[in-house]
Amino acid sequence: DTAVSQTPKYLVTQMGNDKSIKCEQNLGHDTMYWYKQDSKKFLKIMFSYNNKELIINETVPNRFSPKSPDKAHLNLHINSLELGDSAVYFCASSSPIGGNEQFFGPGTRLTVL
Amino acid sequence: DAKTTQPPSMDCAEGRAANLPCNHSTISGNEYVYWYRQIHSQGPQYIIHGLKNNETNEMASLIITEDRKSSTLILPHATLRDTAVYYCIVFRLTDSWGKLQFGAGTQVVVTP
Repeated sequence: DTAVSQTPKYLVTQMGNDKSIKCEQNLGHDTMYWYKQDSKKFLKIMFSYNNKELIINETVPNRFSPKSPDKAHLNLHINSLELGDSAVYFCASSSPIGGNEQFFGPGTRLTVL
Repeated sequence: DAKTTQPPSMDCAEGRAANLPCNHSTISGNEYVYWYRQIHSQGPQYIIHGLKNNETNEMASLIITEDRKSSTLILPHATLRDTAVYYCIVFRLTDSWGKLQFGAGTQVVVTP
């Protein structure tokens, strides 16, 4: 069973379109995250939700809107896609129980043409 | 959060121990040292973390110096599947959540 899953795995779209990436975790964690890894391979956090509440919002354009319908899901909606949005997006989840380690999904490779 | 410094790359022979250094000279007393790795095209994977004592799990050992300004991740018997980018991160565990600040990491290549 996959702990943190993301759909789709690949997403190719045109500039100006609106797209969503979905994330689900079956670990029972309270906290979920979105990270972006650009072409230079740097991983940067974008958002974090704890119990469906937004707790981390880095300097991300407001075209990016996370939504958490429940603790197990954190979706990322992107409006008016731009070329610079091309990247790999990773979802992660964590729990304060134990070591608070974050479990990452397999990533979604977004290509904006 | 404190910053970390790692060598950009290192090679290791299969079956030998890989020792990955990390400097974190500005680490605070309540910050832990975490190690993650990212195998090509996959999501990062947690390896180990520690505060000031040495730690060991099924994947690796973590040695933290007494002044906590540096640490070493040890992969005891490197395999080809250990080829990955390894990230050393300092992280405050007091919150129930927290943002991991990834640096450039160390690209480790394990060769036959």
